[in-house]
Amino acid sequence: AQSVAQPEDQVNVAEGNPLTVKCTYSVSGNPYLFWYVQYPNRGLQFLLKYITGDNLVKGSYGFEAEFNKSQTSFHLKKPSALVSDSALYFCAVRVGRDDKIIFGKGTRLHILP
Amino acid sequence: NAGVTQTPKFQVLKTGQSMTLQCAQDMNHEYMSWYRQDPGMGLRLIHYSVGAGITDQGEVPNGYNVSRSTTEDFPLRLLSAAPSQTSVYFCASSPLGGVGYTFGSGTRLTVV
Repeated sequence: AQSVAQPEDQVNVAEGNPLTVKCTYSVSGNPYLFWYVQYPNRGLQFLLKYITGDNLVKGSYGFEAEFNKSQTSFHLKKPSALVSDSALYFCAVRVGRDDKIIFGKGTRLHILP
Repeated sequence: NAGVTQTPKFQVLKTGQSMTLQCAQDMNHEYMSWYRQDPGMGLRLIHYSVGAGITDQGEVPNGYNVSRSTTEDFPLRLLSAAPSQTSVYFCASSPLGGVGYTFGSGTRLTVV
């Protein structure tokens, strides 16, 4: 079955430290992968995507993600966390040929001042 | 450019009532979809559409109907509301090709 998993419900990081939010996937064929962020009482905002090309993808707000085909992972990273990065982060993958996207359950990121 | 507009933002229904959640986009996107967000469950796909006149079911379609008579609009109908449908509903759209979604700001629905 095609799926996407975020193994951590919550990640706590001190401000200024690097952060990683983990995501693994299982799809047939070449994956289209996405990260979205949700701030309290808001809709989801697009951060970045991987479709093809360089395995390191850069996105909004200084975030980047590394595609690893052998480990079927697409971890979100940032070199230096900000308190304002505290939010709910969703990994997503396109499944099938009709642009349907499924989401992980989300990881709540807490950046501690 | 308004993007994806959802109305209403909040709604309280009694069990058994019906209602329609509205979603409109002005980006000429072919693809539109509805998700519900529940704590600990992430976003689950209810229905989606790849163009006017074409709809299909997602992961959790029971209790919901959709139609797509125009490219711009994709309303979600609750036929007979149940407490289990208490959730936050998001509409999303995108061009075809898997480039990623634009989301609306959501509708918070409570069924009592």
